[in-house]
Amino acid sequence: NAGVTQTPKFQVLKTGQSMTLQCAQDMNHEYMSWYRQDPGMGLRLIHYSVGAGITDQGEVPNGYNVSRSTTEDFPLRLLSAAPSQTSVYFCASTKRRGLTGELFFGEGSRLTVL
Amino acid sequence: GENVGLHLPTLSVQEGDNSIINCAYSNSASDYFIWYKQESGKGPQFIIDIRSNMDKRQGQRVTVLLNKTVKHLSLQIAATQPGDSAVYFCAETRLNSGYSTLTFGKGTMLLVSP
Repeated sequence: NAGVTQTPKFQVLKTGQSMTLQCAQDMNHEYMSWYRQDPGMGLRLIHYSVGAGITDQGEVPNGYNVSRSTTEDFPLRLLSAAPSQTSVYFCASTKRRGLTGELFFGEGSRLTVL
Repeated sequence: GENVGLHLPTLSVQEGDNSIINCAYSNSASDYFIWYKQESGKGPQFIIDIRSNMDKRQGQRVTVLLNKTVKHLSLQIAATQPGDSAVYFCAETRLNSGYSTLTFGKGTMLLVSP
């Protein structure tokens, strides 16, 4: 059972480049989310999804795009990378929409934007 | 992840001591709280949760206390071990567009000396 899988683990981009961070879970979870983690800032919610075809913005959505075409996958797209998006990104999922359950996190994707 | 601990409050204890990590939350409407542990280079991991209709919940070596009057949450770790060294985050639920989202605190680093 793989749990939540994120790829890539590390990525370096130049300002203005675009890329997609992949997230997949094999637990049939309805709820999936993306967080970014910066030193001293904790984890901040970027976007989340409560099921296929349904997404919503979190606390810091600007510069990021998401889609949820399947239950398993929840990719995060950076349309035009900026140095302010240098961060560690975590994908997390849980079974129920109401979040009354444990969030399972991936191992993280470290992104550096030059 | 790496550098998560920069600028974080730090609690240093000796192995075998009891540890208490505190968290103040902001939203009196929050109805569900979770503690997560994050080891260096890894994603956060669920420790224990508590609903707002409870003021105490115990797990294996951990206890969470909730004081809704002063909006305060604490995590007590009994007989702290070097393997408990990590950053600890509290998280609370808040309603957002009709669905629950999880908001994390900034974290506390726990350092356990042998």
